[in-house]
Amino acid sequence: DTEVTQTPKHLVMGMTNKKSLKCEQHMGHRAMYWYKQKAKKPPELMFVYSYEKLSINESVPSRFSPECPNSSLLNLHLHALQPEDSALYLCASSQAEGQMGETQYFGPGTRLLVL
Amino acid sequence: AQKVTQAQTEISVVEKEDVTLDCVYETRDTTYYLFWYKQPPSGELVFLIRRNSFDEQNEISGRYSWNFQKSTSSFNFTITASQVVDSAVYFCALSEEGATDSWGKFQFGAGTQVVVTP
Repeated sequence: DTEVTQTPKHLVMGMTNKKSLKCEQHMGHRAMYWYKQKAKKPPELMFVYSYEKLSINESVPSRFSPECPNSSLLNLHLHALQPEDSALYLCASSQAEGQMGETQYFGPGTRLLVL
Repeated sequence: AQKVTQAQTEISVVEKEDVTLDCVYETRDTTYYLFWYKQPPSGELVFLIRRNSFDEQNEISGRYSWNFQKSTSSFNFTITASQVVDSAVYFCALSEEGATDSWGKFQFGAGTQVVVTP
């Protein structure tokens, strides 16, 4: 079962709101990822967690705050976002440590609209 | 510098036609991995294939086939007898050794939109 789930599917928020995106996998994977994808562009890596520790932060603004409560869950806390943050946010997981060559399995994404 | 080039922005075909998607990559590493993903309108990236740099055998999976040629740094993807359900954006991606902290990162190509009409 190669399933990664994400909630919510759609989210509309104002620039002063605080919201969270959730991601869950039950494949026993130890690495989890957040990507941001704008329309007609490839996904852009934001964060990588390996064994529940943040291993990569791609210079993402602090209004995005990731959290990995356990090996199955990954959250992305959103605060004071800008309209240009509107995008599809994808979560992914891979088996081991987030090392080269690991297949990443993606969730369905959360479509975020910031007004 | 673009490490993965998918020169075809969009390809339109009629159902049952074959379609080939080009992927050209650039790396100085001897060990690397190449991937193809499909992204239908629903948004999820669906894993299709993973190939390491030491395995140049072509692969066939149902109507899908892949041609890996290290000599030309290409990893092309062919859909045979296309169907409407094949309509999606297809991404080629590279995972290379590079710097230690870059392990696991994918270099995605720009993607190719495939439109299959009945």
